[in-house]
Amino acid sequence: EPEVTQTPSHQVTQMGQEVILRCVPISNHLYFYWYRQILGQKVEFLVSFYNNEISEKSEIFDDQFSVERPDGSNFTLKIRSTKLEDSAMYFCASSADLADTQYFGPGTRLTVL
Amino acid sequence: RKEVEQDPGPFNVPEGATVAFNCTYSNSASQSFFWYRQDCRKEPKLLMSVYSSGNEDGRFTAQLNRASQYISLLIRDSKLSDSATYLCVVNRFNNNDMRFGAGTRLTVKP
Repeated sequence: EPEVTQTPSHQVTQMGQEVILRCVPISNHLYFYWYRQILGQKVEFLVSFYNNEISEKSEIFDDQFSVERPDGSNFTLKIRSTKLEDSAMYFCASSADLADTQYFGPGTRLTVL
Repeated sequence: RKEVEQDPGPFNVPEGATVAFNCTYSNSASQSFFWYRQDCRKEPKLLMSVYSSGNEDGRFTAQLNRASQYISLLIRDSKLSDSATYLCVVNRFNNNDMRFGAGTRLTVKP
């Protein structure tokens, strides 16, 4: 069964450093998403991406965040200058169509020291 | 009012019990509704979509009441493997902006 993959599984970084989280969505899917989940809290929508541009973003997704699809398979989330409060699990998801079921990757646990 | 609100739980039930989870949502324009389950430190996984007419998948039954902006999930004959956190998810404007409830934790005990 096709699945969303994410790398790395765990990323530790120093405050102020840039991090790039990587995702490979399901191959025939057209819509891509990033969510985050701070430990013990709910899953929060960050951004959706379609046709090589952002289609929706939440209030969390500020200028420190950016997304990119640099090639035909990878979908990345960049955090320019990490803060302690960016520590969370970051999930990538993809769907075949608008408002269709979203399938989640296993997540990247980001720890900012 | 929170956008998606769920019973906080936790629910601790014996094997074989029937358990029901409730969820309310605040935006009446919401179009799509889902139940996901999340195991500890894992990704959310789709359990079932929720349709206006209600739908059933084996031991799981989901109901939607648009007038009351209420969604429910019923699990019959619960198994140990049903232990997880159940997430109510609402797609607000039939776009990509999915909003999650905080989840209801279920523990099924032998």
